[in-house]
Amino acid sequence: DTAVSQTPKYLVTQMGNDKSIKCEQNLGHDTMYWYKQDSKKFLKIMFSYNNKELIINETVPNRFSPKSPDKAHLNLHINSLELGDSAVYFCASSQTQGVYEQYFGPGTRLTVT
Amino acid sequence: KNQVEQSPQSLIILEGKNCTLQCNYTVSPFSNLRWYKQDTGRGPVSLTIMTFSENTKSNGRYTATLDADTKQSSLHITASQLSDSASYICVVSAWGNNDMRFGAGTRLTVKP
Repeated sequence: DTAVSQTPKYLVTQMGNDKSIKCEQNLGHDTMYWYKQDSKKFLKIMFSYNNKELIINETVPNRFSPKSPDKAHLNLHINSLELGDSAVYFCASSQTQGVYEQYFGPGTRLTVT
Repeated sequence: KNQVEQSPQSLIILEGKNCTLQCNYTVSPFSNLRWYKQDTGRGPVSLTIMTFSENTKSNGRYTATLDADTKQSSLHITASQLSDSASYICVVSAWGNNDMRFGAGTRLTVKP
């Protein structure tokens, strides 16, 4: 069983469109994260949710909106996609906040044309 | 300037050899430091997590060290294998504000 899963794995779309990436974890963890990895392979945290509550919200355009329907899911919705949004997006989870191991999903490669 | 600097940027070694990767940081106040391994096209996998009071931590052939006074960490890989070819990322977290700072990574290639 996959611990942290993301769908889709690849997403190609045009500028201006709205898209969503879904993430699910079956580890029973309380905390979930979204990361962005740019073309230079630099990882950066975007959001973190603990028990469906937002705890980290880095400087991210408000076109990005995370949604956590329950603590096993953290979806990422992106409005009005721009070329610069092209990147690999990783979802991760950890037992709870703090010094706990994070488990990453396989990533979603988003390409905006 | 990034608050987490890794060196070298890339490294090529022969199978069976040892190597050491470096991570220097300025993140303060320090909470913890993590090393991740990221294979091409996959998500990062945690290798070690160290807090202020820990000087060294091992995970199989991987040994991480931490000097909180000099704000330096190293990841030592013993008897390298072809499967060690990956990017190794250092992440330092600050205390109290959930801030996580990522290094740019070291790209390791192990050749037969």
